[in-house]
Amino acid sequence: QKEVEQNSGPLSVPEGAIASLNCTYSDRGSQSFFWYRQYSGKSPELIMFIYSNGDKEDGRFTAQLNKASQYVSLLIRDSQPSDSATYLCAVKGAGSYQLTFGKGTKLSVIP
Amino acid sequence: NAGVTQTPKFQVLKTGQSMTLQCAQDMNHNSMYWYRQDPGMGLRLIYYSASEGTTDKGEVPNGYNVSRLNKREFSLRLESAAPSQTSVYFCASGSLAGITDTQYFGPGTRLTVL
Repeated sequence: QKEVEQNSGPLSVPEGAIASLNCTYSDRGSQSFFWYRQYSGKSPELIMFIYSNGDKEDGRFTAQLNKASQYVSLLIRDSQPSDSATYLCAVKGAGSYQLTFGKGTKLSVIP
Repeated sequence: NAGVTQTPKFQVLKTGQSMTLQCAQDMNHNSMYWYRQDPGMGLRLIYYSASEGTTDKGEVPNGYNVSRLNKREFSLRLESAAPSQTSVYFCASGSLAGITDTQYFGPGTRLTVL
Protein backbone atom coordinates (compact mmCIF):
# COMPACT_ATOMS: atom_id res chain seq x y z
CA GLN A 1 0.00 0.00 0.00
CA LYS A 2 1.55 3.25 -1.11
CA GLU A 3 1.28 5.93 1.52
CA VAL A 4 1.75 9.66 1.49
CA GLU A 5 1.88 11.36 4.86
CA GLN A 6 1.31 15.01 5.67
CA ASN A 7 0.85 16.84 8.95
CA SER A 8 -2.83 17.79 8.98
CA GLY A 9 -2.15 21.08 10.74
CA PRO A 10 -3.47 23.64 11.01
CA LEU A 11 -0.20 25.40 10.37
CA SER A 12 -0.43 29.07 11.29
CA VAL A 13 2.12 31.59 10.07
CA PRO A 14 2.11 35.40 10.19
CA GLU A 15 1.77 37.37 6.98
CA GLY A 16 5.13 37.83 5.29
CA ALA A 17 6.72 34.76 6.89
CA ILE A 18 7.88 31.57 5.19
CA ALA A 19 5.44 28.65 5.37
CA SER A 20 7.02 25.19 5.24
CA LEU A 21 4.85 22.23 4.30
CA ASN A 22 6.20 18.70 4.47
CA CYS A 23 5.34 15.35 2.94
CA THR A 24 6.83 11.86 3.22
CA TYR A 25 6.09 8.88 0.98
CA SER A 26 6.55 5.15 1.34
CA ASP A 27 7.19 3.95 -2.23
CA ARG A 28 10.87 4.25 -3.14
CA GLY A 29 9.94 3.83 -6.80
CA SER A 30 7.98 7.08 -6.83
CA GLN A 31 8.97 9.24 -9.73
CA SER A 32 6.99 12.49 -9.76
CA PHE A 33 5.78 14.70 -6.94
CA PHE A 34 3.05 17.30 -7.05
CA TRP A 35 1.73 20.05 -4.84
CA TYR A 36 -1.90 21.11 -5.13
CA ARG A 37 -3.69 23.92 -3.33
CA GLN A 38 -7.34 23.53 -2.38
CA TYR A 39 -9.46 26.37 -1.09
CA SER A 40 -12.44 25.44 1.05
CA GLY A 41 -15.28 24.20 -1.13
CA LYS A 42 -13.18 24.29 -4.30
CA SER A 43 -11.28 21.77 -6.40
CA PRO A 44 -7.53 21.06 -6.15
CA GLU A 45 -5.38 23.43 -8.18
CA LEU A 46 -1.90 22.44 -9.32
CA ILE A 47 0.87 24.64 -7.88
CA MET A 48 3.95 22.82 -9.13
CA PHE A 49 5.62 19.48 -9.64
CA ILE A 50 9.16 18.19 -9.13
CA TYR A 51 10.91 15.00 -10.20
CA SER A 52 14.63 15.65 -9.62
CA ASN A 53 16.41 15.84 -6.29
CA GLY A 54 16.98 19.39 -5.13
CA ASP A 55 15.00 22.60 -5.31
CA LYS A 56 12.61 23.95 -7.91
CA GLU A 57 11.43 27.54 -7.67
CA ASP A 58 8.33 29.16 -9.17
CA GLY A 59 7.66 32.67 -7.95
CA ARG A 60 7.06 32.60 -4.20
CA PHE A 61 6.92 28.80 -4.18
CA THR A 62 9.86 26.40 -3.84
CA ALA A 63 9.51 22.63 -3.96
CA GLN A 64 12.28 20.53 -2.45
CA LEU A 65 12.81 16.83 -3.11
CA ASN A 66 15.07 14.36 -1.31
CA LYS A 67 14.51 10.89 -2.72
CA ALA A 68 17.00 9.25 -0.36
CA SER A 69 14.94 10.45 2.61
CA GLN A 70 11.64 10.00 0.72
CA TYR A 71 10.73 13.55 1.58
CA VAL A 72 9.25 16.42 -0.40
CA SER A 73 8.44 19.88 0.87
CA LEU A 74 6.87 23.13 -0.29
CA LEU A 75 8.10 26.50 0.90
CA ILE A 76 5.92 29.57 0.46
CA ARG A 77 7.85 32.82 0.83
CA ASP A 78 6.22 36.12 1.83
CA SER A 79 3.04 34.29 2.84
CA GLN A 80 -0.20 36.15 2.16
CA PRO A 81 -3.67 35.68 3.67
CA SER A 82 -4.75 34.50 0.21
CA ASP A 83 -2.39 31.53 0.63
CA SER A 84 -4.66 30.20 3.40
CA ALA A 85 -5.83 26.85 2.04
CA THR A 86 -5.25 23.14 2.31
CA TYR A 87 -2.12 21.93 0.51
CA LEU A 88 -2.15 18.44 -0.95
CA CYS A 89 0.97 16.43 -1.70
CA ALA A 90 0.62 13.81 -4.45
CA VAL A 91 3.03 11.14 -5.60
CA LYS A 92 3.21 9.18 -8.84
CA GLY A 93 5.06 5.90 -9.32
CA ALA A 94 7.23 5.02 -12.28
CA GLY A 95 5.10 3.99 -15.24
CA SER A 96 1.92 4.60 -13.30
CA TYR A 97 -1.07 6.70 -14.28
CA GLN A 98 -2.22 7.05 -10.71
CA LEU A 99 -1.57 9.76 -8.17
CA THR A 100 -1.55 8.90 -4.47
CA PHE A 101 -2.58 11.88 -2.37
CA GLY A 102 -1.79 12.80 1.18
CA LYS A 103 -4.65 14.03 3.35
CA GLY A 104 -3.42 17.60 3.16
CA THR A 105 -2.06 20.28 5.47
CA LYS A 106 -4.29 23.22 6.32
CA LEU A 107 -2.37 26.50 6.23
CA SER A 108 -3.61 29.67 7.87
CA VAL A 109 -1.78 32.93 7.18
CA ILE A 110 -2.55 35.46 9.89
CA PRO A 111 -2.66 39.16 8.82
CA ASN B 1 -11.16 26.90 -23.07
CA ALA B 2 -13.25 25.55 -20.17
CA GLY B 3 -10.77 22.89 -18.98
CA VAL B 4 -12.59 20.12 -17.08
CA THR B 5 -16.33 20.51 -16.55
CA GLN B 6 -18.63 18.42 -14.37
CA THR B 7 -22.39 18.13 -14.07
CA PRO B 8 -24.32 18.37 -11.88
CA LYS B 9 -22.72 20.60 -9.21
CA PHE B 10 -25.00 19.31 -6.45
CA GLN B 11 -27.23 16.27 -6.14
CA VAL B 12 -29.35 14.69 -3.43
CA LEU B 13 -30.38 11.06 -3.85
CA LYS B 14 -32.35 8.59 -1.81
CA THR B 15 -30.83 5.22 -0.96
CA GLY B 16 -31.22 2.85 -3.89
CA GLN B 17 -31.58 5.52 -6.56
CA SER B 18 -29.19 5.64 -9.49
CA MET B 19 -27.48 8.52 -11.22
CA THR B 20 -24.67 9.36 -13.61
CA LEU B 21 -22.08 12.05 -13.04
CA GLN B 22 -20.81 13.62 -16.23
CA CYS B 23 -17.33 14.90 -16.96
CA ALA B 24 -15.86 16.48 -20.08
CA GLN B 25 -12.49 18.02 -20.91
CA ASP B 26 -11.43 20.21 -23.81
CA MET B 27 -7.66 19.97 -23.32
CA ASN B 28 -7.19 17.02 -25.69
CA HIS B 29 -5.93 14.94 -22.78
CA ASN B 30 -5.63 11.17 -23.07
CA SER B 31 -6.24 10.14 -19.46
CA MET B 32 -9.22 10.87 -17.25
CA TYR B 33 -9.90 10.08 -13.59
CA TRP B 34 -12.67 9.97 -11.01
CA TYR B 35 -11.86 10.70 -7.35
CA ARG B 36 -13.92 11.02 -4.24
CA GLN B 37 -12.96 13.25 -1.34
CA ASP B 38 -14.19 12.65 2.19
CA PRO B 39 -13.28 14.52 5.38
CA GLY B 40 -10.20 12.97 6.96
CA MET B 41 -9.72 10.55 4.05
CA GLY B 42 -8.19 12.72 1.39
CA LEU B 43 -8.64 12.17 -2.33
CA ARG B 44 -9.12 8.55 -3.35
CA LEU B 45 -9.13 7.24 -6.90
CA ILE B 46 -12.30 5.42 -7.95
CA TYR B 47 -11.63 4.62 -11.62
CA TYR B 48 -9.43 5.92 -14.36
CA SER B 49 -9.15 5.72 -18.12
CA ALA B 50 -5.68 5.87 -19.62
CA SER B 51 -7.06 6.31 -23.12
CA GLU B 52 -10.29 6.16 -25.07
CA GLY B 53 -11.72 2.67 -24.85
CA THR B 54 -9.92 1.60 -21.66
CA THR B 55 -10.92 1.82 -18.02
CA ASP B 56 -9.29 0.51 -14.84
CA LYS B 57 -10.16 0.29 -11.18
CA GLY B 58 -8.58 2.56 -8.65
CA GLU B 59 -8.47 2.31 -4.88
CA VAL B 60 -12.24 2.40 -4.16
CA PRO B 61 -14.23 1.08 -7.18
CA ASN B 62 -16.99 -0.85 -5.40
CA GLY B 63 -20.47 0.49 -6.10
CA TYR B 64 -19.42 2.45 -9.18
CA ASN B 65 -19.19 1.97 -12.92
CA VAL B 66 -17.60 4.17 -15.54
CA SER B 67 -17.80 4.77 -19.26
CA ARG B 68 -15.23 6.49 -21.43
CA LEU B 69 -17.65 7.71 -24.07
CA ASN B 70 -15.00 9.31 -26.27
CA LYS B 71 -11.74 11.17 -25.77
CA ARG B 72 -13.51 14.14 -24.18
CA GLU B 73 -16.06 12.48 -21.89
CA PHE B 74 -15.82 10.14 -18.90
CA SER B 75 -18.92 9.36 -16.84
CA LEU B 76 -19.34 7.80 -13.39
CA ARG B 77 -22.48 5.83 -12.57
CA LEU B 78 -23.91 4.89 -9.21
CA GLU B 79 -26.34 2.03 -9.85
CA SER B 80 -27.84 1.84 -6.35
CA ALA B 81 -26.73 4.73 -4.18
CA ALA B 82 -25.84 4.16 -0.52
CA PRO B 83 -25.29 6.71 2.28
CA SER B 84 -21.59 5.71 2.29
CA GLN B 85 -21.35 7.25 -1.19
CA THR B 86 -22.10 10.71 0.19
CA SER B 87 -19.00 12.60 -0.86
CA VAL B 88 -17.53 15.20 -3.16
CA TYR B 89 -16.64 13.72 -6.54
CA PHE B 90 -13.90 15.20 -8.69
CA CYS B 91 -13.08 14.39 -12.28
CA ALA B 92 -9.57 15.06 -13.55
CA SER B 93 -7.73 14.77 -16.83
CA GLY B 94 -4.06 14.37 -17.67
CA SER B 95 -1.87 14.52 -20.74
CA LEU B 96 0.12 11.32 -20.06
CA ALA B 97 3.33 13.24 -20.76
CA GLY B 98 5.45 10.71 -18.91
CA ILE B 99 7.28 11.87 -15.84
CA THR B 100 5.89 15.41 -16.11
CA ASP B 101 2.28 14.34 -16.56
CA THR B 102 -0.02 16.43 -14.40
CA GLN B 103 -3.70 16.11 -13.60
CA TYR B 104 -6.16 18.97 -13.75
CA PHE B 105 -9.35 18.87 -11.77
CA GLY B 106 -12.94 19.83 -12.48
CA PRO B 107 -15.06 21.85 -10.03
CA GLY B 108 -16.60 18.79 -8.36
CA THR B 109 -20.04 17.33 -7.68
CA ARG B 110 -21.35 17.38 -4.14
CA LEU B 111 -23.50 14.29 -3.65
CA THR B 112 -25.66 13.51 -0.64
CA VAL B 113 -27.35 10.12 -0.30
CA LEU B 114 -30.15 10.02 2.26
